Amino acid sequence: AQSVAQPEDQVNVAEGNPLTVKCTYSVSGNPYLFWYVQYPNRGLQFLLKYITGDNLVKGSYGFEAEFNKSQTSFHLKKPSALVSDSALYFCAVRDIRGSTLGRLYFGRGTQLTVWP
Amino acid sequence: GAGVSQTPSNKVTEKGKYVELRCDPISGHTALYWYRQSLGQGPEFLIYFQGTGAADDSGLPNDRFFAVRPEGSVSTLKIQRTERGDSAVYLCASSLQPGQSRDTQYFGPGTRLTVL
Repeated sequence: AQSVAQPEDQVNVAEGNPLTVKCTYSVSGNPYLFWYVQYPNRGLQFLLKYITGDNLVKGSYGFEAEFNKSQTSFHLKKPSALVSDSALYFCAVRDIRGSTLGRLYFGRGTQLTVWP
Repeated sequence: GAGVSQTPSNKVTEKGKYVELRCDPISGHTALYWYRQSLGQGPEFLIYFQGTGAADDSGLPNDRFFAVRPEGSVSTLKIQRTERGDSAVYLCASSLQPGQSRDTQYFGPGTRLTVL
């Protein structure tokens, strides 16, 4: 079965410092991995995805993610955090098998707080 | 262009009542998805439409839940005999090419359903 795990419920970082939000995955076959961000009372916004190719994926708002096959991880990173990055972040893996093609499986989310 | 829209943004109802939640996908997107997000959890898949037909409805929790997409665009999620446990944010997403590995789902702002 496809699944992702976000081991940290909360991540706190000072503005200007690098941030990492962790995600590990379990899939059958090739992984298709996604990061979404959710601001209060709003839907999910797509940040970036890994399908194939370079292990370092660049996305919106200066975020990037590193795919590591041996560690089955897809950690979200940003070199310099902004207060406006404070939000709830979700990692997801996409099912690519037959009848469940397209279904996304989400982690529980990690609340990122960036303080001034 | 316009993103995914959902109405209403908030719905309060009483236990046992019937509710309808509406989703208007991005124009031209053939695939439409419904997810449910309970408090403190990541979104959970409910149903996926390809065109007018439900390609995968295995995430619907029971027969009180039903969804339609009669013209291949707007979709309505219908919940009969609502229960307090149905309280959640219902998210809709759409995508352009669900059969392609690079396909990305784009989410609406959600409908917050509260069953009293």
